[in-house]
Amino acid sequence: SQKIEQNSEALNIQEGKTATLTCNYTNYSPAYLQWYRQDPGRGPVFLLLIRENEKEKRKERLKVTFDTTLKQSLFHITASQPADSATYLCALDLSNTGKLIFGQGTTLQVKP
Amino acid sequence: NAGVTQTPKFQVLKTGQSMTLQCAQDMNHEYMSWYRQDPGMGLRLIHYSVGAGITDQGEVPNGYNVSRSTTEDFPLRLLSAAPSQTSVYFCASSQGLAGGKVTDTQYFGPGTRLTVL
Repeated sequence: SQKIEQNSEALNIQEGKTATLTCNYTNYSPAYLQWYRQDPGRGPVFLLLIRENEKEKRKERLKVTFDTTLKQSLFHITASQPADSATYLCALDLSNTGKLIFGQGTTLQVKP
Repeated sequence: NAGVTQTPKFQVLKTGQSMTLQCAQDMNHEYMSWYRQDPGMGLRLIHYSVGAGITDQGEVPNGYNVSRSTTEDFPLRLLSAAPSQTSVYFCASSQGLAGGKVTDTQYFGPGTRLTVL
């Protein structure tokens, strides 16, 4: 069956360090992959989109990589801050239809 | 722009009751969708619409109906609520492209937390 996996265990890091979150998928050939941030009690907020023909995308302190051979995306936050503490979701779009399949999310806690 | 708005924020129903969750967007987006979010399950697509008058089923459509009479509104109807429908419901919209294909970010509403007793 088709599956997306994110590390279900919370990631705890010290302020200033780089946080790396993983999104693995099986049995998909996604047109693109997105990362969202979700704070408690709120809806997800879009962060970055990376297409299947792109290896890396950056936005300020954020970086996403996309390895279609490994079927994996890595999401990096450099110089992390306590305000980065949230749950981060990856989502795949199959066949460019807008029907997003989401991972269960990884909770990041940045300690001062 | 208000973005995507959802009402109500919270709702408690008894088994068998019906209700409509409202969703509206003021960004003139063609594509709208409904998700439910359960602990440990991630977001799952219930129904979606690529434009006014056009709807289709997502991953978990059973027990839910939708309609899209205008570009702005996309209500989700629970015909006979069941405890398994206890969840947080999110509406989302995005700018559709020609042919109903979407390659754009989705904007989510704040969610409706529904409890069915």
